Amino acid sequence: KAGVTQTPRYLIKTRGQQVTLSCSPISGHRSVSWYQQTPGQGLQFLFEYFSETQRNKGNFPGRFSGRQFSNSRSEMNVSTLELGDSALYLCASTQGGGVTEAFFGQGTRLTVV
Amino acid sequence: AQSVTQLDSHVSVSEGTPVLLRCNYSSSYSPSLFWYVQHPNKGLQLLLKYTSAATLVKGINGFEAEFKKSETSFHLTKPSAHMSDAAEYFCVVTVRDSSYKLIFGSGTRLLVRP
Repeated sequence: KAGVTQTPRYLIKTRGQQVTLSCSPISGHRSVSWYQQTPGQGLQFLFEYFSETQRNKGNFPGRFSGRQFSNSRSEMNVSTLELGDSALYLCASTQGGGVTEAFFGQGTRLTVV
Repeated sequence: AQSVTQLDSHVSVSEGTPVLLRCNYSSSYSPSLFWYVQHPNKGLQLLLKYTSAATLVKGINGFEAEFKKSETSFHLTKPSAHMSDAAEYFCVVTVRDSSYKLIFGSGTRLLVRP
């Protein structure tokens, strides 16, 4: 069974640009959540989607947004990039329905210059 | 609110000696707790989970953790460290509401000396 796939693995963007990251969860998993990992702040929750609905959102500005498609694949978008957005963005896939363990992708390393 | 505190930011052990990574949690109800490991430039791999069944939980690669409610702890142990165990370890708790959300500890970097 394929794992969680995140694309692209690496991105370099310029301040002010926007970026879209993609996450394909494990087949049959309906919940996708996103996390930002930085050396200073550690791992922080961005948002979670289940059956195309955002159920929870972390404490991030409105420049960070996401969506989930009917096949459970998810995208997150960051607009008007800032240097501080440089981070490893991790996607987690969960079956849902009370199952608690999450499986993570390898992440997308975003560098803003 | 749920939270986890990892008591050591760095732990250094010699190969073949025991490993102890400490984690305390705070939760207003019986929590689901996890340990994840992250090797350099990799994603997170689940080591083990506690979900209110047995308090001693065995995971992959010889790791285990014991849930102690009286001490609000969930420490990770391994009898004998291997060089390949060098990585960052995260203690994690789930938020129990209508969504799925993980709260991460700040991480413990494990160094294994030859």
